[in-house]
Amino acid sequence: EDKVVQSPLSLVVHEGDTVTLNCSYEVTNFRSLLWYKQEKKAPTFLFMLTSSGIEKKSGRLSSILDKKELFSILNITATQTGDSAIYLCAVEAFSGGGADGLTFGKGTHLIIQP
Amino acid sequence: DGGITQSPKYLFRKEGQNVTLSCEQNLNHDAMYWYRQDPGQGLRLIYYSQIVNDFQKGDIAEGYSVSREKKESFPLTVTSAQKNPTAFYLCASSIRGRYSGANVLTFGAGSRLTVL
Repeated sequence: EDKVVQSPLSLVVHEGDTVTLNCSYEVTNFRSLLWYKQEKKAPTFLFMLTSSGIEKKSGRLSSILDKKELFSILNITATQTGDSAIYLCAVEAFSGGGADGLTFGKGTHLIIQP
Repeated sequence: DGGITQSPKYLFRKEGQNVTLSCEQNLNHDAMYWYRQDPGQGLRLIYYSQIVNDFQKGDIAEGYSVSREKKESFPLTVTSAQKNPTAFYLCASSIRGRYSGANVLTFGAGSRLTVL
């Protein structure tokens, strides 16, 4: 059974701090790892990672994948109160064909205090 | 604007009643999914459909049923057999296919079901 473990499950920091969120996984026939941000309702897509060692970056957010050690990190620098959200990590596996859905971790609830 | 519409946003029902949650997408995506989200549990897959008139059970399908009569629509029925139906339900869609990125899901805003 595919498994995704995120840590920490919750984190409270002050505005301006840098945070690192962790995601480890066990999956048969790994295809990609995805990060989503969920503020109130619908999760929104942040990054998709397929290759080890290649950093994906968007503004203050960045993420990298290590396929040998089976983990990914999501970094947020100079945090702002708008970064407060649940951050979800998910993995996609190769299947016989088509789309079989993603396996999600429990999420990291990040709170940024002003 | 393209997207996924879920309705209703909030729903209250008495124990023992069946409930149907609506999910409509205009993204022309082939694949659609239903996830359940409980506090501290992340998202768990209930059912998914890769194509019209076909659907597959996910990890927690017991007590739920779906249909896929049209490409745009994937309603979820929460039946009285579901032991703990109070939860936040998310519908999603994606482009079906074998190429990388096929499973980048687009989510609806969710439906919160409370069973009294």
